[in-house]
Amino acid sequence: SQTIHQWPATLVQPVGSPLSLECTVEGTSNPNLYWYRQAAGRGLQLLFYSVGIGQISSEVPQNLSASRPQDRQFILSSKKLLLSDSGFYLCAWSSGRGSYEQYFGPGTRLTVT
Amino acid sequence: GENVEQHPSTLSVQEGDSAVIKCTYSDSASNYFPWYKQELGKRPQLIIDIRSNVGEKKDQRIAVTLNKTAKHFSLHITETQPEDSAVYFCAASRQGGSEKLVFGKGTKLTVNP
Repeated sequence: SQTIHQWPATLVQPVGSPLSLECTVEGTSNPNLYWYRQAAGRGLQLLFYSVGIGQISSEVPQNLSASRPQDRQFILSSKKLLLSDSGFYLCAWSSGRGSYEQYFGPGTRLTVT
Repeated sequence: GENVEQHPSTLSVQEGDSAVIKCTYSDSASNYFPWYKQELGKRPQLIIDIRSNVGEKKDQRIAVTLNKTAKHFSLHITETQPEDSAVYFCAASRQGGSEKLVFGKGTKLTVNP
């Protein structure tokens, strides 16, 4: 069966520091991968998605970037964090073969101080 | 692009009553409509979905209906229980390589014992 992992689970970082969040998927190959951000008490904002290695599409221009160095690995990064980057970051995957179902990882709660 | 509106933003019911959450979408090419349940501090969980070739789908106490002509779909929960209390999100997706979802803003459902 498929499993999605995210780490770290929680993170407290000062303004201006760099960020690296990692997401990996097991039990499937060539998945579609997605990064979402959820501000406290708010909805899900799609940040990036990837349909293959090295293929990244950005949905919202901002202080973040994403990379997909391996088939089942998706990384969210920032060179300098802003206070507004605080939130719950969720990685998700879908099979990319027309099944559409999208499954979320456990998330990383980021607090920028 | 696609826009998904969700109503109501909050809903309070008595245990045993029914709950209905409604969503409308703008892109007539959308053909996949999932619903997610998110408990406090947890990841969103896919609870039911429907594709544009069917009008209704049921799974025990939950059901989803789709009206393609009017471009709206609804989640119905019968015999509500306190453990149904959560935030529910609807979403829409269109056929294509990215399978990306556009989410509604969520409905906070409270089931009072």
